[in-house]
Amino acid sequence: EPEVTQTPSHQVTQMGQEVILRCVPISNHLYFYWYRQILGQKVEFLVSFYNNEISEKSEIFDDQFSVERPDGSNFTLKIRSTKLEDSAMYFCASMTGRVGTEAFFGQGTRLTVV
Amino acid sequence: GESVGLHLPTLSVQEGDNSIINCAYSNSASDYFIWYKQESGKGPQFIIDIRSNMDKRQGQRVTVLLNKTVKHLSLQIAATQPGDSAVYFCAENRDSSNTGKLIFGQGTTLQVKP
Repeated sequence: EPEVTQTPSHQVTQMGQEVILRCVPISNHLYFYWYRQILGQKVEFLVSFYNNEISEKSEIFDDQFSVERPDGSNFTLKIRSTKLEDSAMYFCASMTGRVGTEAFFGQGTRLTVV
Repeated sequence: GESVGLHLPTLSVQEGDNSIINCAYSNSASDYFIWYKQESGKGPQFIIDIRSNMDKRQGQRVTVLLNKTVKHLSLQIAATQPGDSAVYFCAENRDSSNTGKLIFGQGTTLQVKP
């Protein structure tokens, strides 16, 4: 069964450092997403990406965040200068269509900022 | 407003019993609803979905009910098994959204007692 893969599974970083979280979406999917889940809380939308550009971003997704699909297979989330409050699980998801189709989620990257 | 919320943060059931997990949503324009299961340390996993033009949909051991009059969604799990223990989230996806983002509720923890 096709799956979304994310690396690393766990990332520990010093406050102020840059991190890049990586995702390989399912190959025939066209819509890509990053979500965040702070421990014990609900999953929150960060950003959606389609046709090589951001289609929507949430208030959480400020200037410190960026996304890229550099080579047609990888989809990355970069946090330029991490803060303690960025500590969370980050999930990548992909879909074949915008609405009414299943979103497939990766296993997540646990980001710990110390 | 834009929120999808859940009643009861924790539900404890005996193995073999039926489970009912509830969700309330606030936006009457919502078109499409999905239930996700999240096991510890994993990403959300699709269980079942329903479009707003339906009021019931059945899967294997699961049924989703949609009551648009009171903006209520429920997930029924028949003959609950220990493997069903997880956090369950309802999520919303709208045709009016150009991006396909999902809006998640708070989550209900289902504990299955052997």
